[in-house]
Amino acid sequence: GESVGLHLPTLSVQEGDNSIINCAYSNSASDYFIWYKQESGKGPQFIIDIRSNMDKRQGQRVTVLLNKTVKHLSLQIAATQPGDSAVYFCAEKGTGFQKLVFGTGTRLLVSP
Amino acid sequence: EAGVTQFPSHSVIEKGQTVTLRCDPISGHDNLYWYRRVMGKEIKFLLHFVKESKQDESGMPNNRFLAERTGGTYSTLKVQPAELEDSGVYFCASSPLGGSGYNEQFFGPGTRLTVL
Repeated sequence: GESVGLHLPTLSVQEGDNSIINCAYSNSASDYFIWYKQESGKGPQFIIDIRSNMDKRQGQRVTVLLNKTVKHLSLQIAATQPGDSAVYFCAEKGTGFQKLVFGTGTRLLVSP
Repeated sequence: EAGVTQFPSHSVIEKGQTVTLRCDPISGHDNLYWYRRVMGKEIKFLLHFVKESKQDESGMPNNRFLAERTGGTYSTLKVQPAELEDSGVYFCASSPLGGSGYNEQFFGPGTRLTVL
């Protein structure tokens, strides 16, 4: 079945570094890809999304890159801060559906 | 504006008992979703309401799970009887009604269910 997976379960970086979190997906029919951040005790929080007809989208300190050729999605966080420490999930939305298919999650640890 | 709220935040029950989880979506959001994360694995979709109607219940694991959204406002998810493998965190999300594109889903804090 369709699936979205992550390469690295834990990513440790120093404050001020740039972080890159990767995700692989398998459903080429998905029309949106979304990144969520989940802090301890809270629900997933939307970070940024990208439509399938785009290959790059930038937000505040975050950039999402989409490579449909290899079915790869990445989230880049510039100047990572301790407050960025959380679990990050990629998710995809299939065309014609509203449900999200999530990856396993990557834990980002930012050291001061 | 209040976000998505869920009750209870934690529930510990014995195997075979019944538990009912409640979700209050953001006011005015016609779309309501239930997801769960078990055993630290990925968050998985359970079902999707549009107002009071079940739009997609393809993720419901079995008939021990019953979701309702009478009146199209809050929703309940009942597990009866609960089994050990039902333990996990149950998330509710809501979004406004829109076109075929992506409408941002706002998630609640989740209910942590532990079945002993």
